[in-house]
Amino acid sequence: DTEVTQTPKHLVMGMTNKKSLKCEQHMGHRAMYWYKQKAKKPPELMFVYSYEKLSINESVPSRFSPECPNSSLLNLHLHALQPEDSALYLCASSQDRGRSGSGGEQYFGPGTRLTVT
Amino acid sequence: QKEVEQNSGPLSVPEGAIASLNCTYSDRGSQSFFWYRQYSGKSPELIMSIYSNGDKEDGRFTAQLNKASQYVSLLIRDSQPSDSATYLCAGDNAGGTSYGKLTFGQGTILTVHP
Repeated sequence: DTEVTQTPKHLVMGMTNKKSLKCEQHMGHRAMYWYKQKAKKPPELMFVYSYEKLSINESVPSRFSPECPNSSLLNLHLHALQPEDSALYLCASSQDRGRSGSGGEQYFGPGTRLTVT
Repeated sequence: QKEVEQNSGPLSVPEGAIASLNCTYSDRGSQSFFWYRQYSGKSPELIMSIYSNGDKEDGRFTAQLNKASQYVSLLIRDSQPSDSATYLCAGDNAGGTSYGKLTFGQGTILTVHP
């Protein structure tokens, strides 16, 4: 089973709203990721959690706030977003990479399509 | 700047033909490489991973890796219209960490016409 679930599927929010995106996996993976994808572009890494600790923040604006309540859940809290933040937000998870650097395949959820008005 | 470059496409092949997708990378520290398929409006789906030099086959898909040339490719045999999608090549170099850090290419749009 390589399923990562995300809710909601679609979200429309105003620039003054606060909302949260949720991601869940039950594959026992200890790394979870948030990506942002704009149309016709590849996914861009935003955050990485490893063993429930924030390991990478790719200089993401503070209006995006990640949270990892436990090893299966990942949230992305949104506040005061801008219209240019409209995108597909993808969650992924992976098992640990091997000592040689192999493995660690990342499996993506279906994404949340966010529109900021 | 760690980069992954893909043949820009779009690539159009007839049904039943072999589709060849290519990717080069600049970071010699990259250890693992992945091919994702992404249908329009959907999320990326992992179709192949490769870590060692040589070929790796899975059904109609063959991934090839040549670390000396810093080259990765994906061959799709007996292409079907359902293979029409954007194919993303990604290299992973997160050093000695347990998690990955993917660098994606820009993607190649493949169209298989009947």
